[in-house]
Amino acid sequence: GQQVMQIPQYQHVQEGEDFTTYCNSSTTLSNIQWYKQRPGGHPVFLIQLVKSGEVKKQKRLTFQFGEAKKNSSLHITATQTTDVGTYFCALSNFGNEKLTFGTGTRLTIIP
Amino acid sequence: NAGVTQTPKFRVLKTGQSMTLLCAQDMNHEYMYWYRQDPGMGLRLIHYSVGEGTTAKGEVPDGYNVSRLKKQNFLLGLESAAPSQTSVYFCASSYLAVNTEAFFGQGTRLTVV
Repeated sequence: GQQVMQIPQYQHVQEGEDFTTYCNSSTTLSNIQWYKQRPGGHPVFLIQLVKSGEVKKQKRLTFQFGEAKKNSSLHITATQTTDVGTYFCALSNFGNEKLTFGTGTRLTIIP
Repeated sequence: NAGVTQTPKFRVLKTGQSMTLLCAQDMNHEYMYWYRQDPGMGLRLIHYSVGEGTTAKGEVPDGYNVSRLKKQNFLLGLESAAPSQTSVYFCASSYLAVNTEAFFGQGTRLTVV
């Protein structure tokens, strides 16, 4: 089956520092999605990447899709306390109806 | 807009008891999913459905059954609960599996003692 590795599992940063999480797949992907789950909450969709090498930005968040479409990253510039939560990548492929999630990266912010 | 609604939100079961978790969506989505979330394990897919009357197994289907008799509802059943099924359960729905975002319910925290 499709394997998804997400690193790191945990990240503690000082407020204002940058943060990056990486998602790696064993197979070439059709697309990749990113979700955020606040503590005690449910996952909420952030963005989807489809094209090889694609880069998308949402304010301080930058999302990248690898050239080979096997990996992706989420980078947050100058973290704020509102960024606290767990960030998941999620994979799906044409012909495969499952939406598979990575193990997530839990971000905590030290004020 | 209700979106995706899960009931109940909390439940405590004794080992061997049965229960059904209900997921309802009002977005006319074809795809529905049940996940369980455990510390350090991310979201693991239990079962999913690609349309009314269809179900399929995910990564961790053992000990669970599902039904999708109506398009808007996806039921997850535990016939004989075990402590290993203590978890937070999330239901999600999407219009398609690929290239469309998934919407999640608020979750059900289940404890089996």
